[in-house]
Order: sequence, then C-alpha cells, then structure tokens
Amino acid sequence: AQSVTQPDIHITVSEGASLELRCNYSYGATPYLFWYVQSPGQGLQLLLKYFSGDTLVQGIKGFEAEFKRSQSSFNLRKPSVHWSDAAEYFCAVGTSYNNNDMRFGAGTRLTVKP
Amino acid sequence: NAGVTQTPKFRILKIGQSMTLQCTQDMNHNYMYWYRQDPGMGLKLIYYSVGAGITDKGEVPNGYNVSRSTTEDFPLRLELAAPSQTSVYFCASILAGSTEAFFGQGTRLTVV
Repeated sequence: AQSVTQPDIHITVSEGASLELRCNYSYGATPYLFWYVQSPGQGLQLLLKYFSGDTLVQGIKGFEAEFKRSQSSFNLRKPSVHWSDAAEYFCAVGTSYNNNDMRFGAGTRLTVKP
Repeated sequence: NAGVTQTPKFRILKIGQSMTLQCTQDMNHNYMYWYRQDPGMGLKLIYYSVGAGITDKGEVPNGYNVSRSTTEDFPLRLELAAPSQTSVYFCASILAGSTEAFFGQGTRLTVV
C-alpha cells in the first residue's frame, strides 16, 4: 500500500525567510499527491495537488511543490513566509481519482518567528 | 453556502456510552469521508461513501458504523465508546470528478 513520510515534526522559521517542507512517498506507480494546511481549530484546506504533467505545481497562498520521481519526493516551498502561514501541513498520497485510498503523513507543524 | 458542517464540536463520553457524530454538506458532493486524527499520526480513514445508500470501510473501521440515507448527511456512530476512540474526527466531501476534499472543522471527542 502507498504511504507518506514527513520527516520534520516541527519547523520554525523567521517571517520573511524561505520555507521547505519535506514529503516522501512510497508507491509503485505514478501517485496523486496533495498538500493540505490545517490552521488551529480548523479543518484541512487543499494547498495544491499533482497528478501528471509539469512537475512544479503552484498552489494557493504563494505555495509551490515539486514532484521528483527519482527521489520519491513532493516537497512544499514558499519563498517568503508570513506570520499567517503558521499552521500544520499535511502531505497526502492517493492512487486513484476518488481519494478513497488516500494516505496522509503525520504532519509538520510550522512556527513563524516575528 | 455552509460547506461541510460537523456537530458537535466537542464531546466527552464515558466508556461504554454511544453517540453519533453528525456531518452535513450542502455542496451536493457524491463522496463523503470520515477520518480520525491522532497526535503525530496524521489522518486515518474510518469509513467512506460514494453515494446515498453506499458505504465502505476505510483503514480503521472497528468500533464505528455509518449510514448514508441522503446525499447531504453522513453520520458516524460509536456504539460502545472506548478510550482508544479519543481523537479528533473530521468529515470531508468531494464532488465526483474532482479531487479537492472539503473538510469540516472537526469534532474533538474524549472518552473517559
């Protein structure tokens, strides 16, 4: 079965600094990959997704992610972090279009220092 | 347009009690899901439904039951609450042909 690893449980960055959150997946074929963000006390919101085509995908709130098949990775990046980006970020992998078998990583909590 | 609405937001149950977590969506989405979120574990799928009258088990269905009598509603039932069911529960829905899941705000359940 597919699986996702987010190696960093907690990351702290200064406001205005760049950000990269790591995500590694395990799946034999081309996966469906997602990044979700969860603000405190809220449900999850989709940031971006990758199915095929251009390996660099743009999302909402200025985030982007790059799919690297050779490294089985789908890292999330943002050039300049804002205080409002403080949240928990989840990477997820699915094998089909309807997400019935989507697997989530354990999440990375982002703290933004002023 | 309310999206996905979950009730209650918080609940404390005693061991052996039962309860139903409610989930309603007003987006006419075909697919609905129940997840539980445990600290450091990410989300795990409990049950899902691809349409009214159709439900199926996810990764961690034991101790739970669901029904889907209408497109809008997808309640999750806990029959005999156990401490291991202490968690945050999220309901989500997806429109057929789409891949973006819309999540409710969650229900924090504590079983003591």
